[in-house]
Amino acid sequence: AQSVTQPDIHITVSEGASLELRCNYSYGATPYLFWYVQSPGQGLQLLLKYFSGDTLVQGIKGFEAEFKRSQSSFNLRKPSVHWSDAAEYFCAVVYNNNDMRFGAGTRLTVKP
Amino acid sequence: DARVTQTPRHKVTEMGQEVTMRCQPILGHNTVFWYRQTMMQGLELLAYFRNRAPLDDSGMPKDRFSAEMPDATLATLKIQPSEPRDSAVYFCASGFRLGTDLFFGSGTQLSVL
Repeated sequence: AQSVTQPDIHITVSEGASLELRCNYSYGATPYLFWYVQSPGQGLQLLLKYFSGDTLVQGIKGFEAEFKRSQSSFNLRKPSVHWSDAAEYFCAVVYNNNDMRFGAGTRLTVKP
Repeated sequence: DARVTQTPRHKVTEMGQEVTMRCQPILGHNTVFWYRQTMMQGLELLAYFRNRAPLDDSGMPKDRFSAEMPDATLATLKIQPSEPRDSAVYFCASGFRLGTDLFFGSGTQLSVL
């Protein structure tokens, strides 16, 4: 079955430290890939997306993600985390140009 | 600043009552999605529309849930009768076409007692 996996339920990093959130997908072809962020009580906001081309994509708020076909991964990174980055992060995949499916999410806590 | 508008933001109701949630997609968007978010299940796709036509509602319990788009500016999700297990946050999202990024509303927090 097609699926999106975010292996880490909760991650804690210190402010200023680097961050990597993992995302793996299962699909025969290359899907469209997205990362969304959700702050408490809010809807989801798009951080970045990958459709084709350069496998390293830049997003808003200093985030980037790299598509690795060989690993079926689309990990999200940020060189230096800010306290305002504390939120829930969702990886999403669109299969067959149809509906968007989300991973279970990774909650990010930022320590002062 | 265009945004997806959902009403109500919060709804508390008793088991057995009818609940209607509304969504106003961003003007010009032709795809509308309904998602349900719970701690246990995460984000689940309930249904989605393209050009107001339902394309897939396989994620929705058919016996009690129904989704419609009476016109291009309004999508509704109805639960009748509601049950405590329906308690969740329901999100509406819209986009220009299938396969592109979606814009989410702030959700309706539903509590069924």
